[in-house]
Amino acid sequence: GAVVSQHPSRVICKSGTSVKIECRSLDFQATTMFWYRQFPKKSLMLMATSNEGSKATYEQGVEKDKFLINHASLTLSTLTVTSAHPEDSSFYICSARGGGLDVRENTEAFFGQGTRLTVV
Amino acid sequence: AQKITQTQPGMFVQEKEAVTLDCTYDTSDQSYGLFWYKQPSSGEMIFLIYQGSYDEQNATEGRYSLNFQKARKSANLVISASQLGDSAMYFCAMREGPRGFNTDKLIFGTGTRLQVFP
Repeated sequence: GAVVSQHPSRVICKSGTSVKIECRSLDFQATTMFWYRQFPKKSLMLMATSNEGSKATYEQGVEKDKFLINHASLTLSTLTVTSAHPEDSSFYICSARGGGLDVRENTEAFFGQGTRLTVV
Repeated sequence: AQKITQTQPGMFVQEKEAVTLDCTYDTSDQSYGLFWYKQPSSGEMIFLIYQGSYDEQNATEGRYSLNFQKARKSANLVISASQLGDSAMYFCAMREGPRGFNTDKLIFGTGTRLQVFP
């Protein structure tokens, strides 16, 4: 089955620094990747959608310059939290979807393991 | 307007019993998809089951089945023979638009915390 790997699983950084989170599709080509943020005991909030080779589409209220998304290849998307502050501390999780005929790959069923970011 | 509603913040079930987690949705699209995910304390999102709006039969995946009632706009998850390892958060989600439509996205409900006791 399709596997999505997200790295790192946990990161602690100092306020003002930048942090990069990677999301990789290991056994399929991900034409679209989604980035979510989840606050404690809350639901997932979509931050942005990225398509390979084009600019990401951000949801309303999400700062583009704060959360940089790069989808440079069909197997890798990165989220960079720039000039991180304590309020950026959260759980970030990606999902990937392929464009093939496999119904599971095509229905955005697969998520990465998530990254718990703590900004101190 | 909230598009996915999960009215049960928490549910308890005894091991080996069945449990139903409720989900209702709102959409004006004719083509849409409904998903259930499990999120254990580790945080990963585990895909459980998918139901397309045009699927005539209720989806089943092992111990999971989806009770899809289109007219009532409900997509309840039924877990049979509960196991201790089923304790987790469960999220219902909806994708509007036809399958494979590249700009679609998932909208999640607020989740239900299921606890299975011996």
